[in-house]
Amino acid sequence: GAGVSQSPSNKVTEKGKDVELRCDPISGHTALYWYRQSLGQGLEFLIYFQGNSAPDKSGLPSDRFSAERTGGSVSTLTIQRTQQEDSAVYLCASSQNIGGVQETQYFGPGTRLLVL
Amino acid sequence: AQSVTQLGSHVSVSEGALVLLRCNYSSSVPPYLFWYVQYPNQGLQLLLKYTSAATLVKGINGFEAEFKKSETSFHLTKPSAHMSDAAEYFCAVSGAGSYQLTFGKGTKLSVIP
Repeated sequence: GAGVSQSPSNKVTEKGKDVELRCDPISGHTALYWYRQSLGQGLEFLIYFQGNSAPDKSGLPSDRFSAERTGGSVSTLTIQRTQQEDSAVYLCASSQNIGGVQETQYFGPGTRLLVL
Repeated sequence: AQSVTQLGSHVSVSEGALVLLRCNYSSSVPPYLFWYVQYPNQGLQLLLKYTSAATLVKGINGFEAEFKKSETSFHLTKPSAHMSDAAEYFCAVSGAGSYQLTFGKGTKLSVIP
């Protein structure tokens, strides 16, 4: 079946603008994650959705970042009033977490965001 | 809190030589441990994972890793490097009721012909 897909693959925006990044997880996966990969910080966890539970937002770096997951499938990560330090690759992953077992996270190709 | 330390941000080996990429972790509970590989401009691909079964874990592309609790290590090895192994490798840990992965800084592997 299809893997995790993300769009757009590249996004260039001006400082202060809002951006939306989209993630389509693997069909049937109950868990969805967002990570950020930047030169200075490496790979960082941002947010985690599991089924209908409240998301774990503990990794979001500021209140300019938000994410939603509609219908337990597609997710959108929104960054408001973008700053140059938001430039990074944003990776989405999904997994099938059942019964507390840590299942493999499958990653999408990422969205490369450049804030000018 | 969990953390991962990867020793060496850049490792170079000759084609056919042993590959050894080091990973040490810190976790207050028995961890789940992972190695991912990232090729240029691509996402992360799982190489192997440890989930408290056998301590020696075999993965794809001839890689394996051994979980050593006494050393809090999970080093990645491959007996003979191929040119196609050139990529960046990330060690990650999860556990303690938390599903998100905590990654190391990554090790970029170069293979010299």
